[in-house]
Amino acid sequence: SQQGEEDPQALSIQEGENATMNCSYKTSINNLQWYRQNSGRGLVHLILIRSNEREKHSGRLRVTLDTSKKSSSLLITASRAADTASYFCATASYNDMRFGAGTRLTVKP
Amino acid sequence: EAQVTQNPRYLITVTGKKLTVTCSQNMNHEYMSWYRQDPGLGLRQIYYSMNVEVTDKGDVPEGYKVSRKEKRNFPLILESPSPNQTSLYFCASSPGTNPYEQYFGPGTRLTVT
Repeated sequence: SQQGEEDPQALSIQEGENATMNCSYKTSINNLQWYRQNSGRGLVHLILIRSNEREKHSGRLRVTLDTSKKSSSLLITASRAADTASYFCATASYNDMRFGAGTRLTVKP
Repeated sequence: EAQVTQNPRYLITVTGKKLTVTCSQNMNHEYMSWYRQDPGLGLRQIYYSMNVEVTDKGDVPEGYKVSRKEKRNFPLILESPSPNQTSLYFCASSPGTNPYEQYFGPGTRLTVT
């Protein structure tokens, strides 16, 4: 069964704007990860945030985690056309992984 | 180059004809996993393996088998494929015995008629 649910399902912005995607989940986790997928290709790992962390940065990416609300957000700053992709959150327990249905991000040049 | 490879990339088959999708990684990873991706459902885990000879069911294991005889290989077997197994399949691996920071293969698009 799905664990994470992303919101919104689709997001369209102009190049240079920031994009924010949210993820909610249902059960306790060890960590939460964000992945990117370009049009039917394999997923690429972006960032991992552990359950005892609240915020993490990697380049133009900023991830927050609120375990009390069971939610996470991914912020992409100064977006580029190349950021156009689907973004998935994935929650990991000890040995299994559950993905949400994803947010489709379109960045218009 | 560090990578996860899957073969075949595309497969059209008929109901009931046994098939195997191979997965291989060259990164000496302990953890390997299979997922299927269907529109609107995201990725769902089929089976995973934390190490050689250790496999376990994910969320949707029915109709699938796996084996892990060697560390680098993790084939997915469909003994009697059915049309509801038409999907995009991904193999993934990660260092350690947990599914953290997984590396994904390019995917196998399977159609069962």
